[in-house]
Amino acid sequence: DADVTQTPRNRITKTGKRIMLECSQTKGHDRMYWYRQDPGLGLRLIYYSFDVKDINKGEISDGYSVSRQAQAKFSLSLESAIPNQTALYFCATSAHDQPQHFGDGTRLSIL
Amino acid sequence: GEDVEQSLFLSVREGDSSVINCTYTDSSSTYLYWYKQEPGAGLQLLTYIFSNMDMKQDQRLTVLLNKKDKHLSLRIADTQTGDSAIYFCAEESPMDNFNKFYFGSGTKLNVKP
Repeated sequence: DADVTQTPRNRITKTGKRIMLECSQTKGHDRMYWYRQDPGLGLRLIYYSFDVKDINKGEISDGYSVSRQAQAKFSLSLESAIPNQTALYFCATSAHDQPQHFGDGTRLSIL
Repeated sequence: GEDVEQSLFLSVREGDSSVINCTYTDSSSTYLYWYKQEPGAGLQLLTYIFSNMDMKQDQRLTVLLNKKDKHLSLRIADTQTGDSAIYFCAEESPMDNFNKFYFGSGTKLNVKP
């Protein structure tokens, strides 16, 4: 969905490095989400935000932090990356009571 | 959290119908969704059904909801090789002031020519 853009699309980095994944949207949605996808586990929610200045933890927030810089931008940070954070990361957006729309994902590998 | 279960794989021949099944546990679900993920891409919303409906048809797609058994299915008629992808079932459940999405682990559909 070109309306939700994630950068970078792929990243390989080393254990202990700080990494930021960025998400921007042109849909005008107030709600934004970060998920990680692991094989056989579906999508798990890391953090979500209803609005600028509103940040909420999802089910697997440990080791991650987020920043909602503007209504259209929501970034995910790994302060000190570890190998088990290797995964496919998705950003999603939604309006209230509407389906979520996803970006194309960021494939992150931590060596 | 809530459980959303799907079988991991389904293989069909081109032209046949595909039926992908999903079970969920939360009886207070408001909407149920089907998403499609093609290789290297994000999740694309295919269709969704409100929890007070039992069927929804959209071209080749038919969604059936059995709320009593908490069972959702997606039927793809005349399956094509371009339908090969992973299909995710998701339920939306009210939780405090937030409707949370719970995703299944995805069913990989392989369409043989």
